[in-house]
Amino acid sequence: AQTVTQSQPEMSVQEAETVTLSCTYDTSENNYYLFWYKQPPSRQMILVIRQEAYKQQNATENRFSVNFQKAAKSFSLKISDSQLGDTAMYFCASTKQGAQKLVFGQGTRLTINP
Amino acid sequence: SAVISQKPSRDICQRGTSLTIQCQVDSQVTMMFWYRQQPGQSLTLIATANQGSEATYESGFVIDKFPISRPNLTFSTLTVSNMSPEDSSIYLCSVDGGYDGYTFGSGTRLTVV
Repeated sequence: AQTVTQSQPEMSVQEAETVTLSCTYDTSENNYYLFWYKQPPSRQMILVIRQEAYKQQNATENRFSVNFQKAAKSFSLKISDSQLGDTAMYFCASTKQGAQKLVFGQGTRLTINP
Repeated sequence: SAVISQKPSRDICQRGTSLTIQCQVDSQVTMMFWYRQQPGQSLTLIATANQGSEATYESGFVIDKFPISRPNLTFSTLTVSNMSPEDSSIYLCSVDGGYDGYTFGSGTRLTVV
């Protein structure tokens, strides 16, 4: 069974700083996907970034990048130049290849302070 | 990526009653997923709804409590039956949006009093 663990329940940084959210996972699959989702108070789940396990190159999306360490089963999210709008719950998730269910971590509540 | 319309956005219900939540997708999808998010918690999958077959429920969730319908490839409903205060949660539907990742409905915040 897949499991996802986020060990940081809460984090807080100042605006414009860089912050890294941690995520580890466990899976017996060879082909799988990893995601970071953001959930602001509006409760809408918003995809931040995704990573295919077969790709060695770390995914990046503007200010968001991941450090994907496949052997260590680690998938951290780095937010550069953090903005007030980044304040939200962040969930790490994984899924097997082929429209399968998402397995979520416990979430990290991130607060960006002005 | 797919766009999901989920209704209602919130409701307050009396214990013992039932609530049906609807999700409409703007494209045809094979599988739809229903999640529960209890207060301050992460998302937990309730069931996977496949058109033309019975939904597949995760451990701890049963059809009598959470019946699901999937009449076509763009629509699904989840009913929360015989509600108790413990059912107070956010319920979300989701579909696989391919390269754009999984898309979620806007969620239904249910409060049972």
